[in-house]
Amino acid sequence: DAGVIQSPRHEVTEMGQEVTLRCKPISGHNSLFWYRQTMMRGLELLIYFNNNVPIDDSGMPEDRFSAKMPNASFSTLKIQPSEPRDSAVYFCASSFTSVGQPQHFGDGTRLSIL
Amino acid sequence: DQQVKQNSPSLSVQEGRISILNCDYTNSMFDYFLWYKKYPAEGPTFLISISSIKDKNEDGRFTVFLNKSAKHLSLHIVPSQPGDSAVYFCAAPDSNSGYALNFGKGTSLLVTP
Repeated sequence: DAGVIQSPRHEVTEMGQEVTLRCKPISGHNSLFWYRQTMMRGLELLIYFNNNVPIDDSGMPEDRFSAKMPNASFSTLKIQPSEPRDSAVYFCASSFTSVGQPQHFGDGTRLSIL
Repeated sequence: DQQVKQNSPSLSVQEGRISILNCDYTNSMFDYFLWYKKYPAEGPTFLISISSIKDKNEDGRFTVFLNKSAKHLSLHIVPSQPGDSAVYFCAAPDSNSGYALNFGKGTSLLVTP
């Protein structure tokens, strides 16, 4: 069984460039989450989708961040323009929408903005 | 404001001994708690969970205890093994956000031979 797949695993780019992170959730899961991990703030939720619809994006730091889920098997997180303070590890997770169901995480994208 | 707190950033334990990782929470509405384990360069993986209607859940070497009155839970690993060395996160789902997880900042466990 394939888990949550994220790409790229590492991204290094210059400030001002557009960055697109990709996620393929586990087949059949109806909830998808994007998290960001930093030293200062730990793991924090950016946005979550239910049945491909964005439900809560209150964690998205600024308008420079946007996320889409065009279908049940694909989601993107885009940063445009990128800034050095966006450097972090970004995780995608998926689950069934139920309190008892654990979320399954991808291995993350380590993003470095120079 | 962090609703889930892990106040010990690191813990070192000898192989074979018990590891106890602690977690405190502030939101009394949380009705489920999870522990995740994370190795470097990998995503968090689910380890064990507990419902708020229970005070203990056991799975092999891993046991989670919940003290609702103290808003405290702990993860016990016994006996600890070197392969248990990882960062452990305590988390609670927020029912208002599709059960998105509120994470503690993690405790880095080192099990020495």
